[in-house]
Amino acid sequence: AQSVTQPDIHITVSEGASLELRCNYSYGATPYLFWYVQSPGQGLQLLLKYFSGDTLVQGIKGFEAEFKRSQSSFNLRKPSVHWSDAAEYFCAAAPRSNDYKLSFGAGTTVTVRA
Amino acid sequence: DVKVTQSSRYLVKRTGEKVFLECVQDMDHENMFWYRQDPGLGLRLIYFSYDVKMKEKGDIPEGYSVSREKKERFSLILESASTNQTSMYLCATARAGSYNEQFFGPGTRLTVL
Repeated sequence: AQSVTQPDIHITVSEGASLELRCNYSYGATPYLFWYVQSPGQGLQLLLKYFSGDTLVQGIKGFEAEFKRSQSSFNLRKPSVHWSDAAEYFCAAAPRSNDYKLSFGAGTTVTVRA
Repeated sequence: DVKVTQSSRYLVKRTGEKVFLECVQDMDHENMFWYRQDPGLGLRLIYFSYDVKMKEKGDIPEGYSVSREKKERFSLILESASTNQTSMYLCATARAGSYNEQFFGPGTRLTVL
């Protein structure tokens, strides 16, 4: 079955430190991949996406993600975290077909300490 | 920018009431979606619509119905609300053929007492 796994439920990081959020997918073929962020009480905002080409993808708010086919992973990174990055982050995947379904991971909550 | 609006941010209803959640988008997107979000479960798809009057069931359609009479508007209906439908409901839209890149509304937090 197609699925997306985010192994870390909660991560705490100091302001200014680096952040890495893990995402693994299980699909027959490489899916389209997305990272979304949800600030408290808000909807989801797209951070970045991977369709094909360069495996290092740049997004908004200083985030980047690296696609690794051999590890079925699409990890999100930020070199220096700001207090405003405290939020919930969702990895999502969609099959390379006309299938409309977007599968989401369970999310990782990021807490930023001063 | 795509704008997706939802009729209410917070809603409190009683068990057995009929509940309408509305979603409106202004970017002429063909596809619209309703999800519910629960802690530890991520987002789960309730229903999907790819055109006016067209709908498909998602992963958890039981207890819900939808209506899409106009392209820009997609309604989620709880025929008889139950306490286990207390949740955050998110609407999303996507352009057809856009690799499923979805744009989300702010969400409606529904509490059923």
